[in-house]
Amino acid sequence: KNQVEQSPQSLIILEGKNCTLQCNYTVSPFSNLRWYKQDTGRGPVSLTIMTFSENTKSNGRYTATLDADTKQSSLHITASQLSDSASYICVVSEGRDDKIIFGKGTRLHILP
Amino acid sequence: IAGITQAPTSQILAAGRRMTLRCTQDMRHNAMYWYRQDLGLGLRLIHYSNTAGTTGKGEVPDGYSVSRANTDDFPLTLASAVPSQTSVYFCASSVQGGGNSPLHFGNGTRLTVT
Repeated sequence: KNQVEQSPQSLIILEGKNCTLQCNYTVSPFSNLRWYKQDTGRGPVSLTIMTFSENTKSNGRYTATLDADTKQSSLHITASQLSDSASYICVVSEGRDDKIIFGKGTRLHILP
Repeated sequence: IAGITQAPTSQILAAGRRMTLRCTQDMRHNAMYWYRQDLGLGLRLIHYSNTAGTTGKGEVPDGYSVSRANTDDFPLTLASAVPSQTSVYFCASSVQGGGNSPLHFGNGTRLTVT
């Protein structure tokens, strides 16, 4: 069964610190993996996309990595800011039926 | 600003009533989607449309219907609302169906069925 699992469910860190969010998937065949950021009361917004041949992608202070062999991805946030408080959702696209599988998200709280 | 507009922003609805959630996009995207988001369950696909004139069922379609008369609009109708349909509903669009183009989301409709 195609699944996307994210950890931790929630995370609290101090402003200025770094953090890493994890995503494991069992989707096959794999097409691509995206990370979305969802602010409270808003819709998700795409941060990064990675295909099979890419193992790292950066978007400002956000860096996503992909290990297609172990089917794992991570999202690293550097020098966190209060505006990083949000849910981060890992989304994997399946390559045969064009299905999009969502993880349940990690809720990140940045404390001043 | 180009994007997706959802209406209403929030609604309280009595059980048994009919309700249509509106969604309009101005990006000329071919594909549109309706998701519901519930605490602990994440986003789940209700219905989708890969192009105007066609629709398909997602993971949780029961109790909902959609239509896609033109490219821009994709309304979601609850024929007879039930309390389990209390949720936040997100409309999304993408250039094409499948996962090769990013999803653009609206800001959601918070629906409470009493």
